[in-house]
Amino acid sequence: GIQVEQSPPDLILQEGANSTLRCNFSDSVNNLQWFHQNPWGQLINLFYIPSGTKQNGRLSATTVATERYSLLYISSSQTTDSGVYFCAVERGRDDKIIFGKGTRLHILP
Amino acid sequence: DAGITQSPRHKVTETGTPVTLRCHQTENHRYMYWYRQDPGHGLRLIHYSYGVKDTDKGEVSDGYSVSRSKTEDFLLTLESATSSQTSVYFCAISAGEKLFFGSGTQLSVL
Repeated sequence: GIQVEQSPPDLILQEGANSTLRCNFSDSVNNLQWFHQNPWGQLINLFYIPSGTKQNGRLSATTVATERYSLLYISSSQTTDSGVYFCAVERGRDDKIIFGKGTRLHILP
Repeated sequence: DAGITQSPRHKVTETGTPVTLRCHQTENHRYMYWYRQDPGHGLRLIHYSYGVKDTDKGEVSDGYSVSRSKTEDFLLTLESATSSQTSVYFCAISAGEKLFFGSGTQLSVL
């Protein structure tokens, strides 16, 4: 099956810093999403981005489908950005949606 | 929360007993999923459904069964719970291209 790898596994930053999270996948996909799991366990959908670039406030994401990777950028980090960030991919409709193991981000005040 | 309710929110049970977790949605979405989350493993797909009575296995389906007799409900059953099934279980629905999650069920098998 398709493999999804995220890097780095852990990241500790000072408030105000910028960060880049990476998601590599092993096969072509028609669906790629980024999620944030907050410290209380709630999973929030950040982006649907099978290709191209999107921005939402301090967060932006870019997927280069031909090279099988996606990047999530967080600018001017805040403590509320702490948590785990997951990417998930799907090869085709009616197919499985598979997650990477996540990047744990800790923003220090 | 895209109208997703998981029940129960917490459950403690004993090894060998059957357990059923329920996922209920209010918006008539076709695709529903069950994931488990364990430290070091992220979210792993157990089973998913692409319509009433249409289900398929995910990455870690052994020891689990599912049923979907109506659009709004997706049930996950552990026929005979084992300690390795202690986990947090998340239900998700696909609305358009996006996945939305319920609040999770913390299951402990003693």
